[in-house]
Amino acid sequence: GAGVSQSPSNKVTEKGKDVELRCDPISGHTALYWYRQSLGQGLEFLIYFQGNSAPDKSGLPSDRFSAERTGGSVSTLTIQRTQQEDSAVYLCASSLQMQWRQGGYEQYFGPGTRLTVT
Amino acid sequence: DAKTTQPNSMESNEEEPVHLPCNHSTISGTDYIHWYRQLPSQGPEYVIHGLTSNVNNRMASLAIAEDRKSSTLILHRATLRDAAVYYCILRDPNAGGTSYGKLTFGQGTILTVHP
Repeated sequence: GAGVSQSPSNKVTEKGKDVELRCDPISGHTALYWYRQSLGQGLEFLIYFQGNSAPDKSGLPSDRFSAERTGGSVSTLTIQRTQQEDSAVYLCASSLQMQWRQGGYEQYFGPGTRLTVT
Repeated sequence: DAKTTQPNSMESNEEEPVHLPCNHSTISGTDYIHWYRQLPSQGPEYVIHGLTSNVNNRMASLAIAEDRKSSTLILHRATLRDAAVYYCILRDPNAGGTSYGKLTFGQGTILTVHP
């Protein structure tokens, strides 16, 4: 079946511009996560959605970052006034709801969007 | 969050078994041990998880020490496709609050497989 898809796969933008990154999770997955991976860095958590609500936004690095999810499906991560330090691969993952299975459900990751801020 | 410690890198030959260690001496009683891997230029993929007993699936086996302070991911016959960064992650799905869903990745172990 279809996995998690993300678009665009690559995005080059000028410093100061706004960008929107899109994530289409696996159908039926109620949980959705955004992570980012900077060059030479590990993966860091950004935000977690359960349905359309975001109970954990603790990883968003600044108020320039925001995300929304509509219809319990597609999610958009928006970065306003991009800075060079925002350059990274932004990864989206989805999973079934956590608490119904001991140990949790595995997260399925998309291929990522490579963002380059010039 | 309880932390994990993994070697920075390991090497293996194709078709040989690989044992990837992970230390988690501060693991709590409700932490599950999860393994993910990230192939080059791809997002991470789930490998296996367990609590106390050893676990097997089509990809790998997970051996958990009796005191749960360490675990080992076992690839029974390494292939070139297994070359990846392997992450050992602790998750407590019963933790209070809203952050139980996220994965906290460390630096992982870079596995190189030689033909």
